[in-house]
Amino acid sequence: EAQVTQNPRYLITVTGKKLTVTCSQNMNHEYMSWYRQDPGLGLRQIYYSMNVEVTDKGDVPEGYKVSRKEKRNFPLILESPSPNQTSLYFCASRKDGRSSGNTIYFGEGSWLTVV
Amino acid sequence: GQNIDQPTEMTATEGAIVQINCTYQTSGFNGLFWYQQHAGEAPTFLSYNVLDGLEEKGRFSSFLSRSKGYSYLLLKELQKKDTASYLCAVRDPAGGFKTIFGAGTRLFVKA
Repeated sequence: EAQVTQNPRYLITVTGKKLTVTCSQNMNHEYMSWYRQDPGLGLRQIYYSMNVEVTDKGDVPEGYKVSRKEKRNFPLILESPSPNQTSLYFCASRKDGRSSGNTIYFGEGSWLTVV
Repeated sequence: GQNIDQPTEMTATEGAIVQINCTYQTSGFNGLFWYQQHAGEAPTFLSYNVLDGLEEKGRFSSFLSRSKGYSYLLLKELQKKDTASYLCAVRDPAGGFKTIFGAGTRLFVKA
Protein backbone atom coordinates (compact mmCIF):
# COMPACT_ATOMS: atom_id res chain seq x y z
CA GLU A 1 0.00 0.00 0.00
CA ALA A 2 1.34 3.42 -1.00
CA GLN A 3 1.82 5.54 2.05
CA VAL A 4 3.66 8.27 3.88
CA THR A 5 4.37 7.38 7.50
CA GLN A 6 5.34 9.88 10.14
CA ASN A 7 6.16 9.46 13.83
CA PRO A 8 5.31 10.35 16.47
CA ARG A 9 1.67 11.11 15.82
CA TYR A 10 1.25 12.95 19.10
CA LEU A 11 3.91 14.55 21.27
CA ILE A 12 4.03 16.95 24.19
CA THR A 13 7.52 18.25 24.89
CA VAL A 14 9.23 21.02 26.82
CA THR A 15 10.90 24.13 25.51
CA GLY A 16 14.46 23.53 24.41
CA LYS A 17 14.39 19.73 24.29
CA LYS A 18 15.53 18.59 20.86
CA LEU A 19 13.15 16.38 18.97
CA THR A 20 12.90 14.67 15.59
CA VAL A 21 9.77 13.80 13.67
CA THR A 22 10.47 11.00 11.23
CA CYS A 23 8.91 10.62 7.80
CA SER A 24 9.15 7.73 5.39
CA GLN A 25 7.48 7.06 2.03
CA ASN A 26 7.36 3.80 0.10
CA MET A 27 6.53 5.17 -3.36
CA ASN A 28 10.07 5.95 -4.52
CA HIS A 29 9.11 9.62 -4.76
CA GLU A 30 11.82 12.15 -5.44
CA TYR A 31 10.09 15.16 -3.88
CA MET A 32 9.33 15.39 -0.18
CA SER A 33 8.28 18.29 2.01
CA TRP A 34 7.15 19.30 5.47
CA TYR A 35 4.17 21.54 6.22
CA ARG A 36 2.72 22.96 9.38
CA GLN A 37 -0.96 23.70 9.68
CA ASP A 38 -2.28 26.36 12.02
CA PRO A 39 -5.86 27.64 12.40
CA GLY A 40 -6.69 30.35 9.87
CA LEU A 41 -3.31 30.07 8.16
CA GLY A 42 -3.65 26.88 6.19
CA LEU A 43 -0.73 24.67 5.26
CA ARG A 44 2.62 26.41 5.14
CA GLN A 45 5.72 24.78 3.76
CA ILE A 46 8.68 24.48 6.11
CA TYR A 47 11.30 22.70 3.99
CA TYR A 48 11.32 20.66 0.84
CA SER A 49 13.65 18.26 -0.91
CA MET A 50 13.85 17.68 -4.65
CA ASN A 51 15.97 14.55 -4.24
CA VAL A 52 18.60 12.89 -2.06
CA GLU A 53 20.99 15.43 -0.53
CA VAL A 54 19.01 18.31 -2.08
CA THR A 55 17.00 20.36 0.41
CA ASP A 56 15.77 23.94 0.47
CA LYS A 57 13.81 26.31 2.67
CA GLY A 58 10.10 26.78 2.30
CA ASP A 59 8.11 29.70 3.66
CA VAL A 60 8.60 29.17 7.41
CA PRO A 61 11.97 27.41 7.94
CA GLU A 62 13.09 29.21 11.11
CA GLY A 63 13.69 26.85 14.01
CA TYR A 64 13.69 23.71 11.86
CA LYS A 65 16.23 21.51 10.12
CA VAL A 66 15.87 18.61 7.71
CA SER A 67 18.06 16.03 6.05
CA ARG A 68 17.65 13.76 3.05
CA LYS A 69 20.27 11.05 3.19
CA GLU A 70 18.06 8.42 1.59
CA LYS A 71 15.24 8.76 -0.88
CA ARG A 72 12.56 7.33 1.38
CA ASN A 73 13.28 9.31 4.58
CA PHE A 74 12.96 13.01 5.34
CA PRO A 75 13.15 13.73 9.08
CA LEU A 76 12.20 17.10 10.57
CA ILE A 77 14.42 18.27 13.41
CA LEU A 78 13.56 20.86 16.02
CA GLU A 79 16.87 21.64 17.72
CA SER A 80 15.39 23.84 20.45
CA PRO A 81 11.59 23.77 20.28
CA SER A 82 9.62 26.79 21.41
CA PRO A 83 5.89 27.19 22.17
CA ASN A 84 5.28 28.92 18.83
CA GLN A 85 6.17 25.64 17.15
CA THR A 86 3.09 24.03 18.65
CA SER A 87 1.24 22.92 15.54
CA LEU A 88 0.01 20.09 13.37
CA TYR A 89 2.78 18.89 11.08
CA PHE A 90 2.38 17.02 7.82
CA CYS A 91 5.03 15.25 5.83
CA ALA A 92 4.23 14.91 2.14
CA SER A 93 5.70 13.44 -1.00
CA ARG A 94 5.08 13.50 -4.71
CA LYS A 95 6.67 11.73 -7.62
CA ASP A 96 8.95 14.56 -8.67
CA GLY A 97 9.29 18.30 -8.47
CA ARG A 98 8.90 19.04 -12.16
CA SER A 99 5.69 17.50 -13.47
CA SER A 100 2.72 19.77 -12.93
CA GLY A 101 0.03 17.16 -12.40
CA ASN A 102 1.59 15.07 -9.69
CA THR A 103 -0.58 15.10 -6.62
CA ILE A 104 0.76 15.29 -3.11
CA TYR A 105 0.46 12.35 -0.73
CA PHE A 106 0.28 13.35 2.91
CA GLY A 107 1.23 11.52 6.06
CA GLU A 108 -1.36 11.28 8.81
CA GLY A 109 -0.01 14.27 10.68
CA SER A 110 1.91 14.83 13.90
CA TRP A 111 0.35 16.88 16.66
CA LEU A 112 3.16 18.64 18.50
CA THR A 113 2.72 20.67 21.67
CA VAL A 114 5.65 22.59 23.18
CA VAL A 115 5.15 23.77 26.76
CA GLY B 1 2.97 38.46 -3.59
CA GLN B 2 1.32 35.09 -3.32
CA ASN B 3 -2.23 34.88 -2.13
CA ILE B 4 -5.03 32.34 -2.24
CA ASP B 5 -8.47 33.39 -0.99
CA GLN B 6 -11.43 31.19 -0.23
CA PRO B 7 -14.41 31.62 2.11
CA THR B 8 -13.77 30.56 5.69
CA GLU B 9 -16.98 28.66 6.25
CA MET B 10 -20.10 27.49 4.41
CA THR B 11 -23.20 25.56 5.41
CA ALA B 12 -25.41 23.52 3.09
CA THR B 13 -28.16 20.93 3.32
CA GLU B 14 -28.02 17.25 2.46
CA GLY B 15 -28.91 16.61 -1.16
CA ALA B 16 -28.17 20.18 -2.21
CA ILE B 17 -25.40 21.61 -4.43
CA VAL B 18 -22.67 23.88 -3.08
CA GLN B 19 -19.99 25.89 -4.88
CA ILE B 20 -16.75 26.79 -3.10
CA ASN B 21 -14.85 29.62 -4.76
CA CYS B 22 -11.13 30.23 -4.82
CA THR B 23 -9.20 33.19 -6.19
CA TYR B 24 -5.44 33.23 -6.45
CA GLN B 25 -2.55 35.56 -7.15
CA THR B 26 0.78 33.80 -7.53
CA SER B 27 4.02 34.64 -9.26
CA GLY B 28 3.61 31.64 -11.56
CA PHE B 29 1.01 28.99 -12.32
CA ASN B 30 1.45 25.32 -13.02
CA GLY B 31 -1.84 23.81 -11.97
CA LEU B 32 -4.57 24.13 -9.35
CA PHE B 33 -5.58 21.41 -6.91
CA TRP B 34 -8.49 20.85 -4.58
CA TYR B 35 -8.03 18.73 -1.48
CA GLN B 36 -10.53 17.49 1.08
CA GLN B 37 -9.54 17.38 4.74
CA HIS B 38 -11.69 15.85 7.44
CA ALA B 39 -11.11 17.14 10.96
CA GLY B 40 -7.90 15.76 12.43
CA GLU B 41 -6.92 13.93 9.25
CA ALA B 42 -4.56 14.45 6.36
CA PRO B 43 -5.70 16.22 3.18
CA THR B 44 -6.68 13.94 0.31
CA PHE B 45 -6.63 14.77 -3.38
CA LEU B 46 -9.90 15.67 -5.08
CA SER B 47 -9.13 17.33 -8.40
CA TYR B 48 -6.56 18.97 -10.62
CA ASN B 49 -6.97 21.67 -13.28
CA VAL B 50 -4.22 23.07 -15.46
CA LEU B 51 -6.29 24.23 -18.47
CA ASP B 52 -9.37 26.45 -18.43
CA GLY B 53 -12.70 24.71 -18.12
CA LEU B 54 -14.62 22.23 -16.08
CA GLU B 55 -13.35 18.85 -14.89
CA GLU B 56 -16.03 16.48 -13.66
CA LYS B 57 -15.47 13.53 -11.38
CA GLY B 58 -18.60 11.93 -10.02
CA ARG B 59 -20.32 14.26 -7.55
CA PHE B 60 -17.37 16.66 -7.62
CA SER B 61 -16.46 19.11 -10.38
CA SER B 62 -13.77 21.74 -10.52
CA PHE B 63 -13.56 24.77 -12.78
CA LEU B 64 -10.62 26.96 -13.68
CA SER B 65 -10.23 30.35 -15.35
CA ARG B 66 -6.55 31.23 -15.55
CA SER B 67 -7.17 34.72 -16.92
CA LYS B 68 -9.32 35.54 -13.90
CA GLY B 69 -7.21 33.69 -11.36
CA TYR B 70 -10.35 31.87 -10.30
CA SER B 71 -11.49 28.36 -9.56
CA TYR B 72 -14.47 26.73 -7.95
CA LEU B 73 -15.26 23.31 -6.56
CA LEU B 74 -18.82 22.13 -7.09
CA LEU B 75 -20.23 19.42 -4.85
CA LYS B 76 -23.54 17.85 -5.87
CA GLU B 77 -25.96 15.64 -3.95
CA LEU B 78 -24.35 16.60 -0.70
CA GLN B 79 -23.96 13.97 1.99
CA LYS B 80 -23.19 14.28 5.69
CA LYS B 81 -19.77 12.75 5.05
CA ASP B 82 -18.90 15.75 2.85
CA THR B 83 -18.60 17.83 6.03
CA ALA B 84 -14.90 18.73 5.87
CA SER B 85 -12.47 21.48 4.96
CA TYR B 86 -11.74 22.02 1.29
CA LEU B 87 -8.32 23.35 0.41
CA CYS B 88 -7.53 25.20 -2.79
CA ALA B 89 -3.86 24.93 -3.76
CA VAL B 90 -1.80 26.37 -6.62
CA ARG B 91 1.44 24.90 -7.94
CA ASP B 92 4.00 27.61 -8.62
CA PRO B 93 7.07 26.80 -10.73
CA ALA B 94 9.13 28.93 -8.34
CA GLY B 95 10.68 27.29 -5.32
CA GLY B 96 10.86 23.81 -6.80
CA PHE B 97 7.29 23.83 -8.09
CA LYS B 98 5.99 24.65 -4.66
CA THR B 99 2.36 24.05 -3.81
CA ILE B 100 0.75 27.04 -2.09
CA PHE B 101 -2.33 26.32 -0.04
CA GLY B 102 -5.28 28.50 0.83
CA ALA B 103 -6.50 28.50 4.43
CA GLY B 104 -9.38 26.20 3.49
CA THR B 105 -13.18 26.41 3.53
CA ARG B 106 -14.99 24.54 6.32
CA LEU B 107 -18.16 23.05 4.91
CA PHE B 108 -20.93 21.87 7.22
CA VAL B 109 -23.60 19.65 5.70
CA LYS B 110 -26.76 19.53 7.79
CA ALA B 111 -29.80 17.28 7.56
